[in-house]
Amino acid sequence: EDKVVQSPLSLVVHEGDTVTLNCSYEVTNFRSLLWYKQEKKAPTFLFMLTSSGIEKKSGRLSSILDKKELSSILNITATQTGDSAIYLCAVKLDNDMRFGAGTRLTVKP
Amino acid sequence: ETGVTQTPRHLVMGMTNKKSLKCEQHLGHNAMYWYKQSAKKPLELMFVYNFKEQTENNSVPSRFSPECPNSSHLFLHLHTLQPEDSALYLCASSQGSGYLGYEQYFGPGTRLTVT
Repeated sequence: EDKVVQSPLSLVVHEGDTVTLNCSYEVTNFRSLLWYKQEKKAPTFLFMLTSSGIEKKSGRLSSILDKKELSSILNITATQTGDSAIYLCAVKLDNDMRFGAGTRLTVKP
Repeated sequence: ETGVTQTPRHLVMGMTNKKSLKCEQHLGHNAMYWYKQSAKKPLELMFVYNFKEQTENNSVPSRFSPECPNSSHLFLHLHTLQPEDSALYLCASSQGSGYLGYEQYFGPGTRLTVT
């Protein structure tokens, strides 16, 4: 059965800390991996990764895919309270999209 | 504001009611999706429409009936729901639904409570 596992499930840090969120997958017909940030309701798109080893970066956020290890990490440096959210990892298959349960990040002032 | 709107934002319905959820996207996308997000469970893909044609139905019970009259509008018709169907229903759209996995833009969701 296709599955996407995120860790940790929750994380509490202080402003300025650097965090690393993990996503691992066991799927057939992998096409791409996507990261989303969900603050209140609508998840918002962060990154889409299709090639192994190529880092994608947007401000303080970066992500990389390791197809050999079947995993991806999302890094956030110099965290701010506005980074508090649930971070979702999703894997696009041929005809499906599987989401992980998410990592709830809380950034304290 | 992602360019995807959903109405209503909240809905309470009895098990014998019939209601519809509406989604509209203003992004010029070709593909639209319905997702279900239950408490403490991952997002579940329910339906996929690409160019108004349904391409995916992930074993969703027939009490959920989607309709896509054009590439900008998507409906989810609900009838004889069960309390366990209470969840946040999210609509999303993307440029395409092809195997490369275009990024999806989500609406704010409809919080559905079945009593």
